[in-house]
Amino acid sequence: QKEVEQNSGPLSVPEGAIASLNCTYSDRVSQSFFWYRQYSGKSPELIMSIYSNGDKEDGRFTAQLNKASQYVSLLIRDSQPSDSATYLCAVNGGGGSQGNLIFGKGTKLSVKP
Amino acid sequence: GAGVSQTPSNKVTEKGKYVELRCDPISGHTALYWYRQSLGQGPEFLIYFQGTGAADDSGLPNDRFFAVRPEGSVSTLKIQRTERGDSAVYLCASRVSGSVYNEQFFGPGTRLTVL
Repeated sequence: QKEVEQNSGPLSVPEGAIASLNCTYSDRVSQSFFWYRQYSGKSPELIMSIYSNGDKEDGRFTAQLNKASQYVSLLIRDSQPSDSATYLCAVNGGGGSQGNLIFGKGTKLSVKP
Repeated sequence: GAGVSQTPSNKVTEKGKYVELRCDPISGHTALYWYRQSLGQGPEFLIYFQGTGAADDSGLPNDRFFAVRPEGSVSTLKIQRTERGDSAVYLCASRVSGSVYNEQFFGPGTRLTVL
């Protein structure tokens, strides 16, 4: 069974610090990886996608992918209280590029002012 | 532009009743997905439509669950003989046509409560 594992947290960081969120996945052939942010009572919002080994930066967010280690991470620089949310890691579970996503349980991040 | 919309936002029903949940995807998105999310869990896949047909329904938990997308746009998730264990947030997502990636965009969800 394909699995995505995340530390449930909570992860608490002070405002302005770097928050590091980690995810491992079991299916070695997975090709697409995503980070979603979910505020309490809201639906998941796509914030980063990554498909190649290495780093991908978008503003304060950096996604890192290591397919050999089956590991994906999300770094949030200059963390703000508004970043406090649950971060869901998702991996493409279907064939090719079209199937369903498999989600981890999420890591709850709390940024303290 | 308009995102994915879902109605109703909340649905309370009694055990044994029938419910329908509606999803209207982003205009032009031919791929549509249904997930459900229980408290403290990530979304769990239910069914995936490509156009009008169900491309993958392997996530439907049993035959009480059924979904349709007759015209390739709006989809309805139907649950018969609801059980308390069906209580969850039902999420719909859509994906842009022809994308080589699989970036899915979620609607606000329908919170289903079965009493």
